[in-house]
Amino acid sequence: EAQVTQNPRYLITVTGKKLTVTCSQNMNHEYMSWYRQDPGLGLRQIYYSMNVEVTDKGDVPEGYKVSRKEKRNFPLILESPSPNQTSLYFCASSLSPGVYGYTFGSGTRLTVV
Amino acid sequence: RKEVEQDPGPFNVPEGATVAFNCTYSNSASQSFFWYRQDCRKEPKLLMSVYSSGNEDGRFTAQLNRASQYISLLIRDSKLSDSATYLCVVNYRGRDDKIIFGKGTRLHILP
Repeated sequence: EAQVTQNPRYLITVTGKKLTVTCSQNMNHEYMSWYRQDPGLGLRQIYYSMNVEVTDKGDVPEGYKVSRKEKRNFPLILESPSPNQTSLYFCASSLSPGVYGYTFGSGTRLTVV
Repeated sequence: RKEVEQDPGPFNVPEGATVAFNCTYSNSASQSFFWYRQDCRKEPKLLMSVYSSGNEDGRFTAQLNRASQYISLLIRDSKLSDSATYLCVVNYRGRDDKIIFGKGTRLHILP
C-alpha cells in the first residue's frame, strides 16, 4: 500500500529534551515536506526537500532541523523542544505537489511540557 | 489580503442538500489549485484538483474563476460522511512549488 508513515503518533516530552519524528514514504517521491497545524493558524510548512541531500526552509523553520540522506526518509529533529512547539505535525510527500498534490502521513501529536 | 482565504464556517447543512463554498486567493500568478478534505484529528487527504474548465467527480464539482481569483467546491446530495473540514490549496510555481493552504471550511451534515 502506498503510504507515508510517521512515528510516533503521540509524544509527550519535556522542554529541552532532543527528539526526532521519523517519516518514511514508499512511493519513490522526490518531494517531501513537514507541516505543523495549530488551531486558527492552519497548516504551516516547516521544511521541505526536493530530493536527496536538498532541503529548504519553509515558513516556520526556527527550532527545527531536517535531513534527507535517503529518498524515502525525511526525519524532523527538535534539538531543544519548547512548549510553543506543541502542535500536530504532518509529513507529506509527492512527485510534484503543485501537479499531483500531497500524500500525508497520519500525523504526530507532540506535547512539550 | 490573505494569500488564501476561506470562510471558516461551520456550515450546518441537512443531509441531501447541496452546499457550496468558495476560496479566494491573492496572487494572480497562481498556477494550480486543489481541494483537500480533513477529518477531525486526521491527516488531510486530496479530494480533487481544480482545472480551468471545471471538473466533476461524482457528487463533487470544483470550479476556478481566474478573473475573480477564487475557486469553489460544490457538494450535491450531501451525506453524513461528508462532514469534515475542506482545505483550499493554491500553488505558485516559481523556483520551487509554493503550496499555500487555506485554513479550511468546516462542514457539518445534519441528519
